[in-house]
Amino acid sequence: AQTVTQSQPEMSVQEAETVTLSCTYDTSESDYYLFWYKQPPSRQMILVIRQEAYKQQNATENRFSVNFQKAAKSFSLKISDSQLGDAAMYFCASGRGRDKIIFGKGTRLHILP
Amino acid sequence: ETGVTQSPTHLIKTRGQQVTLRCSSQSGHNTVSWYQQALGQGPQFIFQYYREEENGRGNFPPRFSGLQFPNYSSELNVNALELDDSALYLCASSFSDSYSGNTIYFGEGSWLTVV
Repeated sequence: AQTVTQSQPEMSVQEAETVTLSCTYDTSESDYYLFWYKQPPSRQMILVIRQEAYKQQNATENRFSVNFQKAAKSFSLKISDSQLGDAAMYFCASGRGRDKIIFGKGTRLHILP
Repeated sequence: ETGVTQSPTHLIKTRGQQVTLRCSSQSGHNTVSWYQQALGQGPQFIFQYYREEENGRGNFPPRFSGLQFPNYSSELNVNALELDDSALYLCASSFSDSYSGNTIYFGEGSWLTVV
C-alpha cells in the first residue's frame, strides 16, 4: 500500500527567507509521481509542483523546488523568498498514472512578516 | 481557476438523510475522482470514474456511490448519513488516456455538515 508521511504539522518562516517542508513516502510501484499541493483558507487544492519518479532531475517551479531522493523515498519542498501569500496547508502526495492519489496529513506553513 | 466546479458549496443534512454532490469537470477531461477531507486531515480517496465506469475505490462503504455522465460531469451520493461524514468533499478531474501521470485539477469543494 502507498503511504505518505509529513512529520511537520506546522512550520513558520520569516518573510523572504527559505523554508523546507519534509515528506517521505512508501510505494511498491516502479512508475509513480509525486506532488506538492497547496491548500489556502479558500480550501482549493492548488498544484505547486510535480515530479516524475523516473526523472533524476529535481523539479523546479519559480520559487518552489524539490529535493527528490528516490532511494530514501524522500520528497521535500523548498520555498525560497517566502511571501505572505505562501501561507497555507501544504500536502505531499503520491500517485500512479490516472490512479488515486494518496495524500499526507499536511503541514501548515505560517509566514511571519 | 481550475475549470472544475462543484455544487453546492455548503450544506447541512440530518443524520440518516441522503445527499448528492455535483461536479462539473474541466472541458475535455474524462476522469473524475472524489475525495473526502475531514477537518485537519489530508484528502482521502473515495472513488474514481473513467469514461463513465468506476475505475478504483478507496476504503469507503457502499453507501458512498457515484456516477459519471456522458459529458463527464459527476455526482457523489451518500446514503444514510452519519455524523462522521461531515467533511469537505473534493472533486478532481483530469484527462487520461494512458498511465502517464496526468495533472489533476481540483474544485473548491462542497462542505457537508451532518447534524
